[in-house]
Amino acid sequence: QVQLVESGGGVVQPGGSLRLSCRASGFMFSDYGMHWVRQAPGKAPEWVASIWFDGTNIYYSDAVRGRFTISRDNSNNMLHLQMHSLRAEDTAVYYCARRAIFGTAPGYCDFWGQGTLVTVSS
Amino acid sequence: DIVMTQSPESLTVSLGERATINCKSSQSVFYNSNDKNYLAWYQQKPGQPPKVLISWASNRESGVPDRFSGSGSGTDFTLTISSLQAEDAAVYYCQQYYKTPPLFGQGTKLEIK
Repeated sequence: QVQLVESGGGVVQPGGSLRLSCRASGFMFSDYGMHWVRQAPGKAPEWVASIWFDGTNIYYSDAVRGRFTISRDNSNNMLHLQMHSLRAEDTAVYYCARRAIFGTAPGYCDFWGQGTLVTVSS
Repeated sequence: DIVMTQSPESLTVSLGERATINCKSSQSVFYNSNDKNYLAWYQQKPGQPPKVLISWASNRESGVPDRFSGSGSGTDFTLTISSLQAEDAAVYYCQQYYKTPPLFGQGTKLEIK
């Protein structure tokens, strides 16, 4: 069965950095695009970034562009999110999710991990 | 950006009754070339990630009970839950996936009485 397991969350000071990872199993990881989606406490999910199956197309939300970098390692079935210059408003649970579409549209999320909590606080 | 607006923000419905949640997009999410609406519905329970219920506005995902149905086209969409069960208490979100950024609605909290 499809499994996505995030790791790397924690408490970090404003201006700090953190690297999130997502280990995928149960499907051909190299065939699927992936998303990072975050959710602040009591708020709706917020799309953060997407990467196509082969890493050739990458997209970011305006809120994180220039600070976050999404990447993938298809040989190890891993998805990453490098986060720099973190702000209080980046505090959220970060989910990796599988992109359920092919083609040029962003696609929806058909499988989600359980998430990893990132807290930005001094 | 295509902004998604849901209504109502919350609703309380009796067990066994029908619940209706609306979602409106600021631009059409219908793609003429394939005749599809790029709209998904998710259910989220406390402490869990969202779970996709409906894709392409009306396509029920595998394993989703048939009391969940989606309808609509263009900019106006509806999620209907017929014959509510206690386990349907959750927050429901719509999302457009037609254009980047694939934004979510603000959510509708469904309570069962």
